[in-house]
Amino acid sequence: NAGVTQTPKFQVLKTGQSMTLQCAQDMNHEYMSWYRQDPGMGLRLIHYSVGAGITDQGEVPNGYNVSRSTTEDFPLRLLSAAPSQTSVYFCASKGTGRAEAFFGQGTRLTVV
Amino acid sequence: KQEVTQIPAALSVPEGENLVLNCSFTDSAIYNLQWFRQDPGKGLTSLLLIQSSQREQTSGRLNASLDKSSGRSTLYIAASQPGDSATYLCAIPDRGGSEKLVFGKGTKLTVNP
Repeated sequence: NAGVTQTPKFQVLKTGQSMTLQCAQDMNHEYMSWYRQDPGMGLRLIHYSVGAGITDQGEVPNGYNVSRSTTEDFPLRLLSAAPSQTSVYFCASKGTGRAEAFFGQGTRLTVV
Repeated sequence: KQEVTQIPAALSVPEGENLVLNCSFTDSAIYNLQWFRQDPGKGLTSLLLIQSSQREQTSGRLNASLDKSSGRSTLYIAASQPGDSATYLCAIPDRGGSEKLVFGKGTKLTVNP
């Protein structure tokens, strides 16, 4: 009954460091996506995937990379962290058609 | 591009009151609309998914309505409790059956004992 699992829950990075935020789902959903949530800005889409091997950019993709080698996993990579990437990151998954979206518990990232 | 607005940004009510949260959208050709709850420091919990062919969807004390022609959805909470205090978000696919969700900025609800 895990649903969407994100790790880590909290992370502090120094400017210029790289890291990968992990996201895994066990519902065999085709669609997965990454959002960031910032005060006053709401949730904004970073990248999304409609299936293994297929990814596309969302509203705010700069500074982030993704890949989707399996149905279950959709990691988000920060290649060179910047203070502007301080945010709460959420991963979501959804089945095909008019299905419900499910979210992970989030990763709170601070870049100093 | 779909735009989603939630007004008010914050709402404070006494326990036991029935209340309505609003969500408006600009493009009436929606696929469906989903209501979420977010507790402080936590993820989003799905409350209700209402399809474009539906007028209402109910779960316990929650009732969501959808009026595509006026570009509005409401979330009705009956007999509110302090445990209902949270931020409530609505989300709509960007266009058609797009998997890209567009979110409102949410309504922060406080239910006072």
